[in-house]
Amino acid sequence: DTAVSQTPKYLVTQMGNDKSIKCEQNLGHDTMYWYKQDSKKFLKIMFSYNNKELIINETVPNRFSPKSPDKAHLNLHINSLELGDSAVYFCASSRISGTGGSVNIQYFGAGTRLSVL
Amino acid sequence: AQSVTQLGSHVSVSEGALVLLRCNYSSSVPPYLFWYVQYPNQGLQLLLKYTTGATLVKGINGFEAEFKKSETSFHLTKPSAHMSDAAEYFCAVSEAGTYKYIFGTGTRLKVLA
Repeated sequence: DTAVSQTPKYLVTQMGNDKSIKCEQNLGHDTMYWYKQDSKKFLKIMFSYNNKELIINETVPNRFSPKSPDKAHLNLHINSLELGDSAVYFCASSRISGTGGSVNIQYFGAGTRLSVL
Repeated sequence: AQSVTQLGSHVSVSEGALVLLRCNYSSSVPPYLFWYVQYPNQGLQLLLKYTTGATLVKGINGFEAEFKKSETSFHLTKPSAHMSDAAEYFCAVSEAGTYKYIFGTGTRLKVLA
């Protein structure tokens, strides 16, 4: 069973369209994340939800809107897609663990490769 | 503010040779440090982590890393490279009790036959 699964794996679309990427984790974690990896492989955090509450909201265009219906799911909706949105988007999940409850180990999905034409 | 610097965006080694991937960090508090590996067209997989205690940590696939506070480094090593080690490697830093990771820019490891 895949621990963190994203759909779709590939997404090709035209500029101006609206699209969604879905993420589900079956690890029982309470925190989920969206990252963007650009063509130079640079990974940047976009959003994070803990128990369905938004806890990290980096400087991201408001065309990007995350939604967490429950702890196991975190979706990403993108409005009015632009060429610069082309990237690989990774979902991740974690649970604070370890002595004193302080270690955050993140587990990643396989990514969604978005190509905007 | 935390930051991570990975020296060398591309590293090539011969099969059987030592692998050394460099990572330096900046953190105002004791850091938690991680190495992740990304194989082509796949997500990131945790190789190893340092939280507290022993400064030499062992991970999967024969990799290990040593936390050196005085040098603010967490370099990744493997005694003998294998063709299957070819991948992108990311160093990351986090703080205790926080959810945010700061990733380095990655190092692509190429293993030559």
